[in-house]
Amino acid sequence: GPKVLQIPSHQIIDMGQMVTLNCDPVSNHLYFYWYKQILGQQMEFLVNFYNGKVMEKSKLFKDQFSVERPDGSYFTLKIQPTALEDSAVYFCASSPRLGVGAETLYFGSGTRLTVL
Amino acid sequence: GDSVTQTEGQVALSEEDFLTIHCNYSASGYPALFWYVQYPGEGPQFLFRASRDKEKGSSRGFEATYDKGTTSFHLRKASVQESDSAVYYCALGDRSNNRIFFGDGTQLVVKP
Repeated sequence: GPKVLQIPSHQIIDMGQMVTLNCDPVSNHLYFYWYKQILGQQMEFLVNFYNGKVMEKSKLFKDQFSVERPDGSYFTLKIQPTALEDSAVYFCASSPRLGVGAETLYFGSGTRLTVL
Repeated sequence: GDSVTQTEGQVALSEEDFLTIHCNYSASGYPALFWYVQYPGEGPQFLFRASRDKEKGSSRGFEATYDKGTTSFHLRKASVQESDSAVYYCALGDRSNNRIFFGDGTQLVVKP
């Protein structure tokens, strides 16, 4: 099936540093998402993104977070500065349809972020 | 707001047992409902969906029926295999804001 690639698979950084998580979504997809999953806990929505703009974000999407997809390249999640509570697995997802909340999400394998 | 509740945090079965994982939802509109499966070290994978009342979704022997009356979308499988061991997520798709809401997940462990 369609593949979403996430780079890197693991990232370890010191608290206060900046980190960028990269996502290569399915090529013809239009909507992009980030979810956060702390070990053993549920998937939590962070943000969705369409046509160069954030469409909706949750309370977890703090001011230190930002997303972009410059010129159709990677869809990125940047955290600056990082905090200890940002340690989690971050999943990128994409979906092909416009304006339909019911469409299927395709997920990457996640980036495990550890903030020391 | 929209939400999904999965009753079971963990289910332990033997091979060929019957599986039921309960999912109930709360939504202001008429959402689409999904089941996703997550294997260790991977992202969630789409299993199937249903978009309207009484519609049945199915895949790989798993099935669930959209029930608007009881606001439920319970996952069932007649005979589980060890390879079905994974975390199963019920999810709700809000058509108004393109957001998918996940339940807490149910860890299924199938012993040979």
